[in-house]
Order: sequence, then structure tokens, then C-alpha cells
Amino acid sequence: DTAVSQTPKYLVTQMGNDKSIKCEQNLGHDTMYWYKQDSKKFLKIMFSYNNKELIINETVPNRFSPKSPDKAHLNLHINSLELGDSAVYFCASSQVGGGDQPQHFGDGTRLSIL
Amino acid sequence: GNSVTQMEGPVTLSEEAFLTINCTYTATGYPSLFWYVQYPGEGLQLLLKATKADDKGSNKGFEATYRKETTSFHLEKGSVQVSDSAVYFCALRIQGAQKLVFGQGTRLTINP
Repeated sequence: DTAVSQTPKYLVTQMGNDKSIKCEQNLGHDTMYWYKQDSKKFLKIMFSYNNKELIINETVPNRFSPKSPDKAHLNLHINSLELGDSAVYFCASSQVGGGDQPQHFGDGTRLSIL
Repeated sequence: GNSVTQMEGPVTLSEEAFLTINCTYTATGYPSLFWYVQYPGEGLQLLLKATKADDKGSNKGFEATYRKETTSFHLEKGSVQVSDSAVYFCALRIQGAQKLVFGQGTRLTINP
């Protein structure tokens, strides 16, 4: 009965490869997010989708392409991986609201680029 | 712009000590304020929140009061346990906006 689930949990790959991370939420939320956490634990928003529509894109390189097939799923595809992409990527979801709706996070995907 | 500043870590305390983790913010609108906790190897979990000035959020013995006059939301606990060892994030969300803006996180270690 996991609320926000991401796969895979760990991803180790070579520079230049293309990879995808999947995220699903069963909370009935209408908004989903991707965050990146760097090696110093700093968290920053990358994307947000509301009912399958992109609403936030925070100056992320266009090698990163989110896709939301339905409001319960938000996948992240990354082309031509670079060393600087090594990080933990967190998916989250929430109900759209007045700003007080908490976001629920997945356990993260640790991406390591060799 | 909108930003959150937390006290620098790491913070190391003995069990049963009093904990304060400072958090201050700048915001262009009326923010809701949150504390999230990240246990080793896990995602972030909401610890507590406050949505307007003078609100106090509380959970699991932790408390934080939304202070508009000092733009602060300091996290406190009267007696910490080893199981409280984690990274704590202060965050804000502006009314009408979707994204959370996080502080840099504070790593807390509690020794027995």
C-alpha cells in the first residue's frame, strides 16, 4: 500500500546512456513532482505536472523529459547522461490547493554515472 | 525571491538533550511552512506544518511556531532520542504556487 513508489531504487550507468525512472502514486492526487537532491543534500524542484499537464519546468536541461501518461504516473527520461546528473531523484505528489497541502515523497532513485 | 535558510549542520546531541534547529525564510507572498524529515536511505516525510502566523505545528514531540515578525519557523524538541537521527528540511510553499522551496537541510545525530 505504498503511497508514492519509484523504480528503480538504484541506477548505475555509463556516461552518454539514456535511462528512465518511473513514479506512481495511489493517493488520488492530481499533481506530481520531480525533485533532484545533490550530494550536499540540497533539494530542488525540477518539474511539476497537474492532471498530465506541465506546470513547472525549472530551467532543467532538455536532456530531461518528463512524461505523464495519466495523473497517477510521472516518469522521467534522461538522455545522454552526464557525470553531473549523479544525484538522488525524488518523486512527490499532492492535491492542488491553497499552498498548505503537503507533498508526499517516494523513497528516491539514486542515480550514479560512471 | 522565495528562500529558506537553516542552521548549518551537522548537529550532534546526547539522548534526552533539548533540540533547536533554526529556520528563517523570505517570501514574496503568504507562505505555508513545513518541516520534513529524511531518515537514512528513505524519502522525505512530512513532520509538521503551519499555514498562518502564530500557528504551531506539532508531531512526535517536535514543535515549530510560525513567527511572521521574525520570519522564522524553528524546530524544537524537548528530549531527543537516538531514533530522531536524520536530516531535517525546512520548506515553504507560497499560496497558489505548487512547488516547495527547501532549506539546505540539517543533519542531526543523537548519541546514546
